[in-house]
Amino acid sequence: EVLLLESGGGSVQPGGSRRLSCAASGFTFTNYAINWVRQAPGKGLEWVSGITGNSGGTFYADSVKGRFTISRDFSQNTVSLQMDSLRVEDTAIYYCAKERLSTSRGAFDYWGLGTLVTVSS
Amino acid sequence: SALTQPASVSGSPGQSITMSCTGTSSDIGGHNYVSWYQQYPGKAPKLMISEVTNRPSGVSDRFSASKSDNTAYLTISGLQVEDEATYYCISYTGTIGLVFGGGTKLTVL
Repeated sequence: EVLLLESGGGSVQPGGSRRLSCAASGFTFTNYAINWVRQAPGKGLEWVSGITGNSGGTFYADSVKGRFTISRDFSQNTVSLQMDSLRVEDTAIYYCAKERLSTSRGAFDYWGLGTLVTVSS
Repeated sequence: SALTQPASVSGSPGQSITMSCTGTSSDIGGHNYVSWYQQYPGKAPKLMISEVTNRPSGVSDRFSASKSDNTAYLTISGLQVEDEATYYCISYTGTIGLVFGGGTKLTVL
C-alpha cells in the first residue's frame, strides 16, 4: 500500500524557517517524482516544488524560488522541503504527492494528509 | 500565472456538465500533460484524469476530458449528488514546472 506521511508543520514567525518531511512507503522510491502542493485556508491548490526520482531535477514555483529547497533522502525514503524566509502568505496546508508514472507531469495518484504551516507574528 | 477556470458550475442529477480550464501555448497548448483533480472540503485531492484524457483505474467512466488548443475540458455525465466538489486542472509548463487552475466548484442541484 502506498503511503505518504507529512510532518514538520507548525507555527513560525515571518522571516523564520521550517522543514517539512514526507515519508514514503509502498513503492519503489527512486522511480517516481515527488511534489509539494499547498493550499492556503479557503483557497485553491498551488504547486510549490517537485523533485525527480533520482534527484536529478528540482523545480520550484516562482513564489518560493530562492526561499524553499527540496531534497530527497534515499536511505530514509523521505522528501524534505526546507522553507526559509517565510512570509504570512506561505500559510497553508502542505501536501506531498507522488507522480503516477515516471514519465508523468502533474498526475499525482497518491497524496498525504497534509501538514499545516502557519506563519504569523 | 494560474490557469483560468470558472468559479462555479451547476447541474441537476442525471445531467451532463462540462467545465473549462484555459491556459496558454506555454502550458496547456504546448504539452499533453493536463490533469484534473476532485477535492472535497477538508480532504486531499483525488486524481480523476491524467495526460489530458487518461482515466486512472477506479475512476468512474462518467468522467471524461479533452483538450483543444489552449483549453482543456472536463465532462461529467449522469451527474450524481456525490460529484459535488471542487475540481482543479493542472498543466505542465515546461521548464517552469506546473501550474494549477483556480478551481471550479460544482453544485449538483
